[in-house]
Amino acid sequence: DVKVTQSSRYLVKRTGEKVFLECVQDMDHENMFWYRQDPGLGLRLIYFSYDVKMKEKGDIPEGYSVSREKKERFSLILESASTNQTSMYLCASSPAGGGGTDTQYFGPGTRLTVL
Amino acid sequence: GNSVTQMEGPVTLSEEAFLTINCTYTATGYPSLFWYVQYPGEGLQLLLKATKADDKGSNKGFEATYRKETTSFHLEKGSVQVSDSAVYFCALIPNPSGNTPLVFGKGTRLSVIA
Repeated sequence: DVKVTQSSRYLVKRTGEKVFLECVQDMDHENMFWYRQDPGLGLRLIYFSYDVKMKEKGDIPEGYSVSREKKERFSLILESASTNQTSMYLCASSPAGGGGTDTQYFGPGTRLTVL
Repeated sequence: GNSVTQMEGPVTLSEEAFLTINCTYTATGYPSLFWYVQYPGEGLQLLLKATKADDKGSNKGFEATYRKETTSFHLEKGSVQVSDSAVYFCALIPNPSGNTPLVFGKGTRLSVIA
């Protein structure tokens, strides 16, 4: 069974703090993704990565950065957390190639609150 | 551009009722289409998918047919259960021949009452 794990289910941080959200997958997938989920807005793509050390901006990258030093790990970084970054953050992974039929596997999410 | 439009929720049904959640899409290429489900407190999981016109995806009693002429991929189930209460997301991959991320709709919350 594919497993995508996220470092925390719930996180509370203060405005201005640097925040790290970690995601690990155990199926040797090439592709990894970070989304945020907000009521009424659905899922919005922040960043994605198709290989180690590479990254692509999604729809809402402002205020975020990512790191992928190892294939199984994809980190989302909030350089200086702000209250409008309070949200549910979802990580996903999928295998490379195979075109658009490949399933994305999601982690359980991290609910981040910035005070 | 590429986008997915789902019916607004929440949808509340009695157990054993018929379910339809509408989904239409706009895509620049020939997309693959997906339905994902998010149960309370969990991440998303794939419910079903279809990769070409007239394909029908099905799983757990849910079905959706890829209709290219109406650019739709409506989700249906003949008899819902309380355990089907969840948020349902329609999604597409615009260009299945390349590595492109999913484009999601905003989700539809379904509540089934006994």
